[in-house]
Amino acid sequence: NAGVMQNPRHLVRRRGQEARLRCSPMKGHSHVYWYRQLPEEGLKFMVYLQKENIIDESGMPKERFSAEFPKEGPSILRIQQVVRGDSAAYFCASSQGTGLEEQYFGPGTRLTVT
Amino acid sequence: GQNIDQPTEMTATEGAIVQINCTYQTSGFNGLFWYQQHAGEAPTFLSYNVLDGLEEKGRFSSFLSRSKGYSYLLLKELQMKDSASYLCAVGDNAGNMLTFGGGTRLMVKP
Repeated sequence: NAGVMQNPRHLVRRRGQEARLRCSPMKGHSHVYWYRQLPEEGLKFMVYLQKENIIDESGMPKERFSAEFPKEGPSILRIQQVVRGDSAAYFCASSQGTGLEEQYFGPGTRLTVT
Repeated sequence: GQNIDQPTEMTATEGAIVQINCTYQTSGFNGLFWYQQHAGEAPTFLSYNVLDGLEEKGRFSSFLSRSKGYSYLLLKELQMKDSASYLCAVGDNAGNMLTFGGGTRLMVKP
């Protein structure tokens, strides 16, 4: 049973470009969570999605950031017009149900903005 | 607001016991979680406490006191591979998210 998959694992973007991060949850999981980890800091919740629905986006910056989890395909975290401060590791987690104890994390995407 | 505090770094000796403390002040509570994260890797789930008391799982144990807003992770018979960051997190009431502390970087020395 494959775990949570994220790609790319490393992404380099110049300021002003768009970054698109993908997350494929574990098989049978329909709940996806995105977290951001800035260098030397803890994980910060960004958004919680179920298939075709955003359930909680209280941790998402108001501008430039968006997320989706379509009926088919992976969840996408999109960052438009990236800035240096967006450089971080972005982790996706998935769960089968709503129980937080069931969250499994992917390996993360490390975004570097030059 | 959400406030979760844990020491930034700890050092311990191989074979010893180490206790990593976590205190929290959060607007909601739906369980206290501990994760292990090796450098450059994904966090992996260690333990979950929702009731007061001690939960033991092999070499790792976790304790919770809800009235004191306090938890600790106890690691016994330390091994070199236990060198990692240990993240304390609190679940929100809705079950939508985990709020993490800054993590404790544990270094195990021979």
